Amino acid sequence: DAGITQSPRHKVTETGTPVTLRCHQTENHRYMYWYRQDPGHGLRLIHYSYGVKDTDKGEVSDGYSVSRSKTEDFLLTLESATSSQTSVYFCGATSGGQYNEQFFGPGTRLTVL
Amino acid sequence: GQQVMQIPQYQHVQEGEDFTTYCNSSTTLSNIQWYKQRPGGHPVFLIQLVKSGEVKKQKRLTFQFGEAKKNSSLHITATQTTDVGTYFCAGGNAGNMLTFGGGTRLMVKP
Repeated sequence: DAGITQSPRHKVTETGTPVTLRCHQTENHRYMYWYRQDPGHGLRLIHYSYGVKDTDKGEVSDGYSVSRSKTEDFLLTLESATSSQTSVYFCGATSGGQYNEQFFGPGTRLTVL
Repeated sequence: GQQVMQIPQYQHVQEGEDFTTYCNSSTTLSNIQWYKQRPGGHPVFLIQLVKSGEVKKQKRLTFQFGEAKKNSSLHITATQTTDVGTYFCAGGNAGNMLTFGGGTRLMVKP
């Protein structure tokens, strides 16, 4: 939908291992976001980017880092995965900040054992 | 930080009944957006409200933004099975971010 893909779509990993999730968009959106979705919590912002190499922390950034070396790619890294990071991760993108609709990728279901 | 609360968390309705979800922010919002997420899917944008007291309609859906720009509601008239899903409000702030409410999961019994 709207040219946003996420990879992998599903991943099972063990506690302590590094994990990188990728978000790729083809619409040249300036802003990109990483959210996690857990029951009862809606979508919580982890990190966001407002341009190449410009990123900032969101509400639940501890344990996560991001990088954006190209407009189309936004990577989310869990340096040392923990069971509390088991979640569904969504990437969002928009061209105009909070006044424009966000488009979302299909999500990545991550399980940390 | 900004908090956006949404109630109820769940709602079961009989097909044909009306449904309303409410969204309340701890701070004044610049704008509010509504999204729908079908089971197993991703959030999809429905609408945006920007002005104080604004009301917008999309067929059977009516969206309102409060006068103080701290609350909003989504009302569905005569629900259908195709309305099933989770509805999220998302409040905008000055940082080009949206703060999402916890969502209301709507279940419709045929």
